[in-house]
Amino acid sequence: LAKTTQPISMDSYEGQEVNITCSHNNIATNDYITWYQQFPSQGPRFIIQGYKTKVTNEVASLFIPADRKSSTLSLPRVSLSDTAVYYCLALTGGSGNTGKLIFGQGTTLQVKP
Amino acid sequence: EPEVTQTPSHQVTQMGQEVILRCVPISNHLYFYWYRQILGQKVEFLVSFYNNEISEKSEIFDDQFSVERPDGSNFTLKIRSTKLEDSAMYFCASNYPSGTPTDTQYFGPGTRLTVL
Repeated sequence: LAKTTQPISMDSYEGQEVNITCSHNNIATNDYITWYQQFPSQGPRFIIQGYKTKVTNEVASLFIPADRKSSTLSLPRVSLSDTAVYYCLALTGGSGNTGKLIFGQGTTLQVKP
Repeated sequence: EPEVTQTPSHQVTQMGQEVILRCVPISNHLYFYWYRQILGQKVEFLVSFYNNEISEKSEIFDDQFSVERPDGSNFTLKIRSTKLEDSAMYFCASNYPSGTPTDTQYFGPGTRLTVL
């Protein structure tokens, strides 16, 4: 499993764009970058997943450069309700890989008014 | 949107007692998981379950733990003799179709277990 490194914490203000960078220097060819979000006292929730370039959904965008050694989760115009822990995971696709998720400490995002 | 449900939301028990945590995964999912999160720490994988058997378990999942799918909807985690260090939030999760890590995993709201 590729190790990921992300900042332990970030602060932002309402209405700002937040970018959380994740490093994964040893990412494997069939690894996908996946982000989960966890609100206090709740289970993690899938946000977005990508392999290369840019992926966008209704919640966030994910930018992955050509070398795939890092990625950036972008949250546009955050609100107080985006205060949560954000986990970056490098997950191996394909058969033969069990579904277990290995979470790190994540990035605690605190959005202030 | 379908969701994973868990009961109870909070369970308080005495050390040495048995507890059963219950989960109802999303109905068409085939792969089921339990994770735990000790207060202030990271989410830890316990066990994965597919086709009525354990497919993988972590070092945490020792002989005191067992899982079962007693019927077509419930998925349970039993702790035979609870210890103080079992106090944690326990999350059930499920996914589909292939159970690989890249399939979105849906987590329940968790059961907070407090061992006194």
